[in-house]
Amino acid sequence: DQQVKQNSPSLSVQEGRISILNCDYTNSMFDYFLWYKKYPAEGPTFLISISSIKDKNEDGRFTVFLNKSAKHLSLHIVPSQPGDSAVYFCAAKLTGGGNKLTFGTGTQLKVEL
Amino acid sequence: DAGVIQSPRHEVTEMGQEVTLRCKPISGHNSLFWYRQTMMRGLELLIYFNNNVPIDDSGMPEDRFSAKMPNASFSTLKIQPSEPRDSAVYFCASSTGGYQQYFGPGTRLTVT
Repeated sequence: DQQVKQNSPSLSVQEGRISILNCDYTNSMFDYFLWYKKYPAEGPTFLISISSIKDKNEDGRFTVFLNKSAKHLSLHIVPSQPGDSAVYFCAAKLTGGGNKLTFGTGTQLKVEL
Repeated sequence: DAGVIQSPRHEVTEMGQEVTLRCKPISGHNSLFWYRQTMMRGLELLIYFNNNVPIDDSGMPEDRFSAKMPNASFSTLKIQPSEPRDSAVYFCASSTGGYQQYFGPGTRLTVT
């Protein structure tokens, strides 16, 4: 049973436009969320995170929004650049779950010139 | 500072053979995680260790899979016997106990 879902396996965006990647979760006991970025033949790298007590966190071109009532979070990239082309994974941590993370299936973002 | 090191980077083996994947975590990190990446299930946590002790192995698919961490700087994931459905990319990650994990480059396993 997939507790963290990324329903769009791929997304294509033009350079300079906004990219919006979505993530849904089913377990209301998740209290911390992270986004990871993965290039081919490399391991995922941490991008940005948000605690469940917040609804927004921003870091440069990257902003994560959390809607707890909808159990939904999104990653916004503005403006999108060709170097942002990668697979993006959403991950969540359970309250009292130590430092174990549950990952989604990933969304392949392609930023076109 | 070296990141997480995994070996081999690629492994091709025949069904029924034993496969051993190796991981060296970042020095000073006390948590180590083994993941498997597939298209259908994304990144699945197989097992994780805190201070060399296995904490949660509920993701280990079956008895054919085993993992050890004999010391703070080395871990292995073994599959015996291997099957074609084990073909995937296996990642090792480490952390200081916080939420952010640092991943190695992965081992691409192909079982024919």
